[in-house]
Amino acid sequence: GENVEQHPSTLSVQEGDSAVIKCTYSDSASNYFPWYKQELGKGPQLIIDIRSNVGEKKDQRIAVTLNKTAKHFSLHITETQPEDSAVYFCAARAVSGKLTFGQGTILTVHP
Amino acid sequence: GAGVSQSPSNKVTEKGKDVELRCDPISGHTALYWYRQSLGQGLEFLIYFQGNSAPDKSGLPSDRFSAERTGGSVSTLTIQRTQQEDSAVYLCASSLVQGQGAHRNEQFFGPGTRLTVL
Repeated sequence: GENVEQHPSTLSVQEGDSAVIKCTYSDSASNYFPWYKQELGKGPQLIIDIRSNVGEKKDQRIAVTLNKTAKHFSLHITETQPEDSAVYFCAARAVSGKLTFGQGTILTVHP
Repeated sequence: GAGVSQSPSNKVTEKGKDVELRCDPISGHTALYWYRQSLGQGLEFLIYFQGNSAPDKSGLPSDRFSAERTGGSVSTLTIQRTQQEDSAVYLCASSLVQGQGAHRNEQFFGPGTRLTVL
């Protein structure tokens, strides 16, 4: 089955800096890659996603890139703010529709 | 209604007891998913429903775990003879459909049920 690896497990940045989280996947047939943000005590919430026929997608301060050949994708957050502090999960969706999640990254943005 | 709701929000039980966790998906969502999130871990897939049937139960860790969905809406996850290693946050998600287009497949998560087995 699909295997998703996510790095780093923790990331600490100063407010205004950029943050990058990377994921790799194993199933070359996976076709959809969402990113979720989970705040304390809440369920994960979709923040951005990318399909396999697109190399990059941007939404204000967040962007996602996908390299299908290397089977990796990344989340980029620019001009980080304290409210960006949360746990971020990447995921890959197989042809069956099943999502496999990475282990998560705890992002801390220091004011 | 609003989003996915789950109850209870917290459950403390003694080892060996049975527990039932409830999930109310977003109205009209035909697909429903259960995940388990242990401390510091990612989301572990448990089971997926399409309507009332469960095409994929591959993630259920043992036969102590079972789930059902009635009326294509509410789902209940039951854990029998709970063990300490069952302690985790149990998350439910729903989506319009399964496997057909990214936007229709987006999973919306509930707040989870935190289960503690003493």
